[in-house]
Amino acid sequence: DAGVTQSPTHLIKTRGQQVTLRCSPKSGHDTVSWYQQALGQGPQFIFQYYEEEERQRGNFPDRFSGHQFPNYSSELNVNALLLGDSALYLCASSLGTLRSEQYFGPGTRLTVT
Amino acid sequence: AQSVTQLGSHVSVSEGALVLLRCNYSSSVPPYLFWYVQYPNQGLQLLLKYTSAATLVKGINGFEAEFKKSETSFHLTKPSAHMSDAAEYFCAVSESGRTGNQFYFGTGTSLTVIP
Repeated sequence: DAGVTQSPTHLIKTRGQQVTLRCSPKSGHDTVSWYQQALGQGPQFIFQYYEEEERQRGNFPDRFSGHQFPNYSSELNVNALLLGDSALYLCASSLGTLRSEQYFGPGTRLTVT
Repeated sequence: AQSVTQLGSHVSVSEGALVLLRCNYSSSVPPYLFWYVQYPNQGLQLLLKYTSAATLVKGINGFEAEFKKSETSFHLTKPSAHMSDAAEYFCAVSESGRTGNQFYFGTGTSLTVIP
């Protein structure tokens, strides 16, 4: 049973560029959440997707956007990258949206120079 | 909004000693609470969860946590630390919104196990 997978594992971008991160949920899961984890911090909730719609959003600017596909996989897009966007980006999947436990992928390490 | 406070960003214990990692939460409704562990360069792994059933929750790898409503706490314990327990531990609370739910994480506690 495949767990949550994310790609790429590492990414280096320049300020002002755009980046797309990808996530495939655990088999049987239909909900995907994205988190940003800065060095030495806990994960911060970005948004959650269910039925191809953004259902909940944390305190992140519109530069952060996402998408969910019919097969439940998801993308996180970040435009106009800032140095402060450097972080580990975690994808978590769950079954449904109501307080279900979340299973995390290994993350994508984004470095903005 | 919910919030989670983890007291002690770094905890060191000797191998075989008791592990106690502290977590306090704020919630206006009965919470769903979780403990996750993160090993270097990896994602988060669920240790255990509290979902309003038994107040003492047993998880994987010998960890357990006790929900105390009067103290708004959900501390994580393990009777005997093992070297492989060295990792970062996160407490989280789940809040359900109108259309979905989100997790609020604490800032984490780094556990060092001394041989």
